Amino acid sequence: DSGVTQTPKHLITATGQRVTLRCSPRSGDLSVYWYQQSLDQGLQFLIQYYNGEERAKGNILERFSAQQFPDLHSELNLSSLELGDSALYFCASSDRRARSYNEQFFGPGTRLTVL
Amino acid sequence: SQQGEEDPQALSIQEGENATMNCSYKTSINNLQWYRQNSGRGLVHLILIRSNEREKHSGRLRVTLDTSKKSSSLLITASRAADTASYFCATGAGSYQLTFGKGTKLSVIP
Repeated sequence: DSGVTQTPKHLITATGQRVTLRCSPRSGDLSVYWYQQSLDQGLQFLIQYYNGEERAKGNILERFSAQQFPDLHSELNLSSLELGDSALYFCASSDRRARSYNEQFFGPGTRLTVL
Repeated sequence: SQQGEEDPQALSIQEGENATMNCSYKTSINNLQWYRQNSGRGLVHLILIRSNEREKHSGRLRVTLDTSKKSSSLLITASRAADTASYFCATGAGSYQLTFGKGTKLSVIP
């Protein structure tokens, strides 16, 4: 158990809908990362937040947005969903003060299926 | 886009044998990490090697890094059925985000 929690575990929805994925980082971790894993694209970095502020952006679509709240949990919002958005979405957290810097701890993921 | 490319894409070995996976990357890095993913589950961090290190050990794992060739290898010795998983290399380059390869799927046959 990494200490990172994600809800829900599974999500099935229809095209055009909007969903929110939630992540709670390990206790004390200030950074949260979101990744998308699909069969064709592999594991892609989407976005990073550090202590409430956006720190880095990767291959995140404009239909997707994220935020990190004062209690450090994060939400990833996916809107106008398309079939191609079906994937596993992972959240990871890290503490920049850790000795093994940049090590990221991954949650169990949310499997999104868009029908 | 993928930074790392693992090789082979899939590997099948008998329990007790050693498994070697390779990773090549394209740009300068300050560290390289290996992660394991059991089917459809979250990734587990295995080992991190910094760009100024050449070799690192952790239990049955041995990682090498050759920055001149932009490549790394992960050796799992005396493999067990429980090692069956996908293995990913991930590179870090200054920022805290990681760039992952597509992974090697390892099957260890009891």
